[in-house]
Amino acid sequence: DAKTTQPTSMDCAEGRAANLPCNHSTISGNEYVYWYRQIHSQGPQYIIHGLKNNETNEMASLIITEDRKSSTLILPHATLRDTAVYYCIVSSGPDYGQNFVFGPGTRLSVLP
Amino acid sequence: DAGVIQSPRHEVTEMGQEVTLRCKPISGHNSLFWYRQTMMRGLELLIYFNNNVPIDDSGMPEDRFSAKMPNASFSTLKIQPSEPRDSAVYFCASSWTGGSNQPQHFGDGTRLSIL
Repeated sequence: DAKTTQPTSMDCAEGRAANLPCNHSTISGNEYVYWYRQIHSQGPQYIIHGLKNNETNEMASLIITEDRKSSTLILPHATLRDTAVYYCIVSSGPDYGQNFVFGPGTRLSVLP
Repeated sequence: DAGVIQSPRHEVTEMGQEVTLRCKPISGHNSLFWYRQTMMRGLELLIYFNNNVPIDDSGMPEDRFSAKMPNASFSTLKIQPSEPRDSAVYFCASSWTGGSNQPQHFGDGTRLSIL
């Protein structure tokens, strides 16, 4: 079973920031938070990951709470092409015997 | 840089036939993963290779499924004999695993339909 909880769906207006929450209250000290998205009929696309510090790249920002029990993925200026299913995954990685477990994710709809 | 390459993109075949799916991981990656995605069960890990050796095959559904990685640049997932319930999208992913928690990168998948 996935170790994360995400809302089933969200809407966001084009041009606005999309804030996607994820709860991972049982996260362990060596587990990272990964975010992927899947646009219809394509393979999951890596977005960002982090351990405890906030992270930012060209696609998004990841905000992890101080207790690490939840996180938020932020798409600063959502476009129609950001419409996808977004997956939050918690894992220490296969080096530690832990592979990815994908839950149902959040279906984000960016509206014009 | 080339990403993970899977072939074929689509496969339609009749029940009982052998099906072979192919994957070329990203050059330099030492881990390869096969996943299956269906509407009912979502995205599931089937098998994980590290340095060409199968490490975890607990997700392989039954003996009709087999996977090989003869070298660092090629892997196959074979289903023999195929059944209609094997219809799904099969994804291959690769990553570098060396204690640095690098992400997995996915191919665009093979959409398999068994009639």
